[in-house]
Amino acid sequence: ETGVTQSPTHLIKTRGQQVTLRCSSQSGHNTVSWYQQALGQGPQFIFQYYREEENGRGNFPPRFSGLQFPNYSSELNVNALELDDSALYLCASSSGSERETQYFGPGTRLLVL
Amino acid sequence: AQSVTQLGSHVSVSEGALVLLRCNYSSSVPPYLFWYVQYPNQGLQLLLKYTSAATLVKGINGFEAEFKKSETSFHLTKPSAHMSDAAEYFCAVTGGGNKLTFGTGTQLKVEL
Repeated sequence: ETGVTQSPTHLIKTRGQQVTLRCSSQSGHNTVSWYQQALGQGPQFIFQYYREEENGRGNFPPRFSGLQFPNYSSELNVNALELDDSALYLCASSSGSERETQYFGPGTRLLVL
Repeated sequence: AQSVTQLGSHVSVSEGALVLLRCNYSSSVPPYLFWYVQYPNQGLQLLLKYTSAATLVKGINGFEAEFKKSETSFHLTKPSAHMSDAAEYFCAVTGGGNKLTFGTGTQLKVEL
């Protein structure tokens, strides 16, 4: 069984640029959630996708957007990057119920200069 | 709305000593509670979870946690710390939705 994978592992961008992060969910899971973890902080919920539809969103501006594909993999897009967007971005997959475990990928570390 | 408070951003114990990491939650609906561990430069790994069955939950690597509704707590314990337990630990809650709300984390240091 393949776990959650994310790409790339590291990324350096400059302010104002756009970035796309990718996530492949664990086999059998139809739900993907994205979290932002700033240095020294706990992960913060960005949004969740369930069967290709957005299914909840945290307190993040619209320049954070996402997609989920028919194979349940997902993308996180961030436009007009700001310095404060520098963080570890974590993807988690699950079967959708709130009592089910969310399995996390290794994350993508984004540095905005 | 849900929230989690982890008391103590840093905890230091001797190898072989009891580990106690504190977590208090707030939830307007019956909560589901999780403990995750994060090793440096890695993602999060589930240690254990409470989903309204037994209040004492056993997890991986010898960790356990007890759900106490009257105290709104879900503290993580391990009888005997090992050097490999050094990591950051996060308590999280869901309830009324499928998003995890995390605490700010507790960095566990294990000393010889």
